[in-house]
Amino acid sequence: ETGVTQTPRHLVMGMTNKKSLKCEQHLGHNAMYWYKQSAKKPLELMFVYNFKEQTENNSVPSRFSPECPNSSHLFLHLHTLQPEDSALYLCASSQDPLGRRYTFGSGTRLTVV
Amino acid sequence: QQQVKQSPQSLIVQKGGIPIINCAYENTAFDYFPWYQQFPGKGPALLIAIRPDVSEKKEGRFTISFNKSAKQFSLHIMDSQPGDSATYFCAAGGTSYGKLTFGQGTILTVHP
Repeated sequence: ETGVTQTPRHLVMGMTNKKSLKCEQHLGHNAMYWYKQSAKKPLELMFVYNFKEQTENNSVPSRFSPECPNSSHLFLHLHTLQPEDSALYLCASSQDPLGRRYTFGSGTRLTVV
Repeated sequence: QQQVKQSPQSLIVQKGGIPIINCAYENTAFDYFPWYQQFPGKGPALLIAIRPDVSEKKEGRFTISFNKSAKQFSLHIMDSQPGDSATYFCAAGGTSYGKLTFGQGTILTVHP
């Protein structure tokens, strides 16, 4: 394992459901990130947390709501998603706020039906 | 200005060949250029990285070439093996915190 654990690995949800993605790291890193990976597109940065504080929201729709209760855990709460939100959601962490040397989790494959 | 453009989208080589993946950036504030390797079902993993004060960095069979004036950098894989088949992403980061900008990715296939 990479040191960053994401659960669940796969998620199928209806457009009216509410679900949450979880990310956990025990690397002692201070920064955590959510990225969206869609086919044939660059990795899209969604949110950045440094020392539990959100430092960036990259114009993400409000149907995605992040939560960082401590520096080891990061959640992405999902509600009323659209089919185009289907993608691989990747969590990453890094030691320093400059974002170097990311460690990624294996991702959650989300399908919205 | 934050974009990183990567090419080609896909690449097929024979075992032992030297695939080359290219990236170009616009933002001169970028000062950190990593490459990530991603296997199916896994997240990207850091492969090798370079800073703009050097023109080349080699780690094992992987080499980054960096051209600061052209704002381009490339990944070369020497003596490629079928196990190198993966998706490769270039990225760029700068002094603005906590952010890497990724290229579109290159799907590399190495045939035995």
